[in-house]
Amino acid sequence: AIRMTQSPSSFSASTGDRVTITCRASQDVSSYFAWYQQKPGKAPKLLIYAASSLQSGVPSRFSGSGSGTNFTLTISCLQSEDFATYYCQQYYTYPRTFGQGTKVEIK
Amino acid sequence: EVQLLESGGGLVQPGGSLRLSCTASGFTFSSYAMSWVRQAPGKGLEWVSAARDSGSTTYYGDSVKGRFIISRDNSENTLYLQMNSLRAEDTALYYCAKDRSGSSGPFDFWGQGTLVTVSS
Repeated sequence: AIRMTQSPSSFSASTGDRVTITCRASQDVSSYFAWYQQKPGKAPKLLIYAASSLQSGVPSRFSGSGSGTNFTLTISCLQSEDFATYYCQQYYTYPRTFGQGTKVEIK
Repeated sequence: EVQLLESGGGLVQPGGSLRLSCTASGFTFSSYAMSWVRQAPGKGLEWVSAARDSGSTTYYGDSVKGRFIISRDNSENTLYLQMNSLRAEDTALYYCAKDRSGSSGPFDFWGQGTLVTVSS
């Protein structure tokens, strides 16, 4: 199975900050890559697919980049509603695999 | 509006069985692959199983292979997960999720989950 490794596992940030989360795949997944946001007690929400395409309804402050094995999620100006846990996922092959998650907390 | 409604969770003893259901609405169910994804309490997301649009092709994670069976009834817009030989480590919130595209894609819609607790 393809292993997805996110970094960092957690960090604190302030509203208005620019934040970056990275994810590395253990093998090439091309652009079959997605980012999700999950808030406590809620189902995950798709933010980015195909590595850099913004899902409908997702604010433009979210962006994704990368291909192959290295990917990045950037939030250009952190808002209060963005404090959550973020997961990366490859859908290049089965089994689908997720990263371990990155928790973004309020500083 | 796309809706996915899971049911069937509950408390079961180790070694027992349970069948989860996911009833879909708001889209052409038979055109999309569907998956089950679980989340143990306080832990991350783990993909469990998927069924392609017709249901004839299925996939499983290593941790459930040989114990769980995924199926779907496209006439009833329902996805199932038959879980056998349950273990304590299967305790989790089980989500059903819809593929974004018909062939292969991320999960663009998720249900709210059904909780499975395996304990004596």
